[in-house]
Amino acid sequence: QKEVEQNSGPLSVPEGAIASLNCTYSDRVSQSFFWYRQYSGKSPELIMSIYSNGDKEDGRFTAQLNKASQYVSLLIRDSQPSDSATYLCAPYNFNKFYFGSGTKLNVKP
Amino acid sequence: DARVTQTPRHKVTEMGQEVTMRCQPILGHNTVFWYRQTMMQGLELLAYFRNRAPLDDSGMPKDRFSAEMPDATLATLKIQPSEPRDSAVYFCASGDRGVGGELFFGEGSRLTVL
Repeated sequence: QKEVEQNSGPLSVPEGAIASLNCTYSDRVSQSFFWYRQYSGKSPELIMSIYSNGDKEDGRFTAQLNKASQYVSLLIRDSQPSDSATYLCAPYNFNKFYFGSGTKLNVKP
Repeated sequence: DARVTQTPRHKVTEMGQEVTMRCQPILGHNTVFWYRQTMMQGLELLAYFRNRAPLDDSGMPKDRFSAEMPDATLATLKIQPSEPRDSAVYFCASGDRGVGGELFFGEGSRLTVL
């Protein structure tokens, strides 16, 4: 079993819609959770972090965490073509960052 | 503008040759990670350091890979001998746990082993 599981996609949504990205993780002691965005040919960049159960909103992005279910998600409201990228989930456990394989998101104009 | 710097950006080499990739972490960051990214495997954690000490390199093929941090401004990843299956993009990332564990990535070193 992989430490981090994500649907590889591609997930296609029309411009203006809500994109929902999901991630499950196996390490119960993970403390912090991060979402990174990676454009094709570029390096990952941080877009959201969440540390406690519940929702955290930042602009058009909302991260949701449920530690009991070992589940974290990212919602992107009013999706834009510029959101088209691969989104990587990364639980952090004290010293280690493990990344999921990522979900490729396509936002169609 | 603080950033992680990696060299070389691109490297093409022949099987059996030694490859060394270098990383300059952001000044003041005390953790350094090496990742390898391929289409099939995604981002694989190879090794990481905290305060220059190697904490875990279990993700790294020990017979051919080695990672070191000779000083706080330089981390190296060496492959000897290289094989075609090592072809990938190698990312270095640095972080400061004082800011919640965020990692900052370099632009990556794209390695092609023929």
